[in-house]
Amino acid sequence: EDQVTQSPEALRLQEGESSSLNCSYTVSGLRGLFWYRQDPGKGPEFLFTLYSAGEEKEKERLKATLTKKESFLHITAPKPEDSATYLCAVIKGGSEKLVFGKGTKLTVNP
Amino acid sequence: DARVTQTPRHKVTEMGQEVTMRCQPILGHNTVFWYRQTMMQGLELLAYFRNRAPLDDSGMPKDRFSAEMPDATLATLKIQPSEPRDSAVYFCASGLGDGGNQPQHFGDGTRLSIL
Repeated sequence: EDQVTQSPEALRLQEGESSSLNCSYTVSGLRGLFWYRQDPGKGPEFLFTLYSAGEEKEKERLKATLTKKESFLHITAPKPEDSATYLCAVIKGGSEKLVFGKGTKLTVNP
Repeated sequence: DARVTQTPRHKVTEMGQEVTMRCQPILGHNTVFWYRQTMMQGLELLAYFRNRAPLDDSGMPKDRFSAEMPDATLATLKIQPSEPRDSAVYFCASGLGDGGNQPQHFGDGTRLSIL
């Protein structure tokens, strides 16, 4: 069964304190791994798609990386506005269905 | 920025009542997805359509849920009769072509409470 596990469930950082969020997955024939950001009361907002091991994508203070078993979302010098729940999702080959992890709730204190 | 629009944003109703949720996908997107989000289960795919045709509804309780796309600008999700366990946030997402390569763009959801 396809599974996506995110850790930690919650993370508190001080402004400027860099860290990483983890997304481990078990899926046969990964077609794509997606990162989304979700703010309270809002829908998930697309951040990145990664397709193959070794690939990296960056956007402002965020960088996503991918290996054959997991993905990391690195947050460099975070700001309070980076506080949100970050969701990871995968699509396996031959499918169009996103399988989501439960998310990591990030809080960045000023 | 183009956005997926969902109505209503909030709905509170009593058990047994019919509930209809609506979604306007991003203009030009040909694939529409319905998800449900709960604290326990997270985000789960209920059903999805391509070019208005249903492709998969295996995630949906068939006896009480139904999803349709009357036209390219409107998708609906109905629950009849509703039950307290249906309380959740329901999201609609839309995308271009093959969802495997293109990201899905989400609306802000309908928060449903069944009393």
